[in-house]
Amino acid sequence: QPMLTQPPSTSGTPGQRVTISCSGSDSNIGRNPVSWYQQLPGMAPKLLIFGDYLRPSGVPDRFSASKSGTAASLAISGLQSEDEASYFCATWNDNLGGLWLFGGGTKLTV
Amino acid sequence: RLQESGPGLVKPSETLSLTCNVSGGSITTSLYFWGWIRQTPEKGLEWLATILYTGSAHYNPSVESRVTIFVDTSKNQVSLKMSSVTAADTAVYYCTRRGTTASPVRNAFDIWGQGTVVIVSS
Repeated sequence: QPMLTQPPSTSGTPGQRVTISCSGSDSNIGRNPVSWYQQLPGMAPKLLIFGDYLRPSGVPDRFSASKSGTAASLAISGLQSEDEASYFCATWNDNLGGLWLFGGGTKLTV
Repeated sequence: RLQESGPGLVKPSETLSLTCNVSGGSITTSLYFWGWIRQTPEKGLEWLATILYTGSAHYNPSVESRVTIFVDTSKNQVSLKMSSVTAADTAVYYCTRRGTTASPVRNAFDIWGQGTVVIVSS
């Protein structure tokens, strides 16, 4: 079963830089663009990054992302208390007829 | 804006029907797919299905046999039906918009509804 693996949790202090990893395989991250989502408690997910590293308008440049091979990562610099949320990666998986995959999510504590 | 509506509570083995009202733009565009994603504490976010206004749809293989997604362009709505529900289908269901490769926000879910809670219980 294809999957995207994220660490369940991470933490940082205000002003710090943190990174969140997302590990996949050749059939998903290795071939397709990755997007990242932020989910505040009790809210719907919000798009942070698409196309591996592109930010939609309105997303602060404190949020950045990259990809290498079958792994992607999200970086948050100048950490703020309002960044405390869960973060999910997502991409298309080419196998099994094709399906969208989401990582299990990483809970960031500030 | 995407606004989901649903029954809240469904009995096991029954059919779940969800509707998403799309406002602020027409669903009859080649720039976006419309679809459904659900979230549970156990399985996290799970993509269910996606459809273009033409009716061209794509399903998660894990639910394909039980799920139908369709659009009503006259009402600017996207709907989902899931048959033979079990407790495992208890989740928050989100209506989503996803950019096509021609969209400014391509291949990403750029708009989400607030979500509707569905509980499967007798």
